[in-house]
Amino acid sequence: QVQLLESGPGLVRPSETLSLTCTVSGGSVSSASSYWSWIRQPPGKGLEWIGSIFFSGITNYSPSLKSRVTISVDTSKNRFSLRLSSVTAADTAVYYCARDLSVSMIRGVANWIDLWGQGALVTVSS
Amino acid sequence: SSELTQDPAVSVALGQTVRITCQGDSLRSYYASWYQQKPGQAPVLVIYSENNRPSGIPDRFSGSTSGNTASLTITGAQAEDEADYYCNSRDSSGKRVFGGGTKVTVL
Repeated sequence: QVQLLESGPGLVRPSETLSLTCTVSGGSVSSASSYWSWIRQPPGKGLEWIGSIFFSGITNYSPSLKSRVTISVDTSKNRFSLRLSSVTAADTAVYYCARDLSVSMIRGVANWIDLWGQGALVTVSS
Repeated sequence: SSELTQDPAVSVALGQTVRITCQGDSLRSYYASWYQQKPGQAPVLVIYSENNRPSGIPDRFSGSTSGNTASLTITGAQAEDEADYYCNSRDSSGKRVFGGGTKVTVL
């Protein structure tokens, strides 16, 4: 079955850039019905959607993070990546990569996240 | 607005029924999905496109939407249902948004 695995540094210094990669196994990032997303969860808090990418490279970002976020996809390596610049302690969180399905339904397009990575804790500290 | 609002916490007696709600204007136009998250674990999809359950999710979980409010109902709550529950939807530009989450305690 399809699995997602996040990888990257667990500690990032303030003002630097956070970089994570999500490797997709058992499936393809080039699926026409799948968006690939990054979601984060600060300690003790709720889920926050960061952004998504389609295999063609089309991206969609959270307005609150848009100025600092870049999501990219590498179809040849079957993976997608997150870069978050100018990090502060407020960016400390568990970062999840996820598969976001998009399906046409009676009432329009339905989206749901059917697959999550295990999560990667990234701490921003000097 | 694309915000989704959930009650922070609810409690339910073992075997009883609990309903968790999620309010937002986007729910008038777009489907909701629901996720269960237990401590230290990644979220798990429990309901998608309003009232569909993925394989492996017990049928005591159901969903519905009326107007701007989506609901997740657990009929006959079990001890293992104690968790945080999040709703999710999208806006017209495709941006996704999560509700703040509801902590369900099974008494």
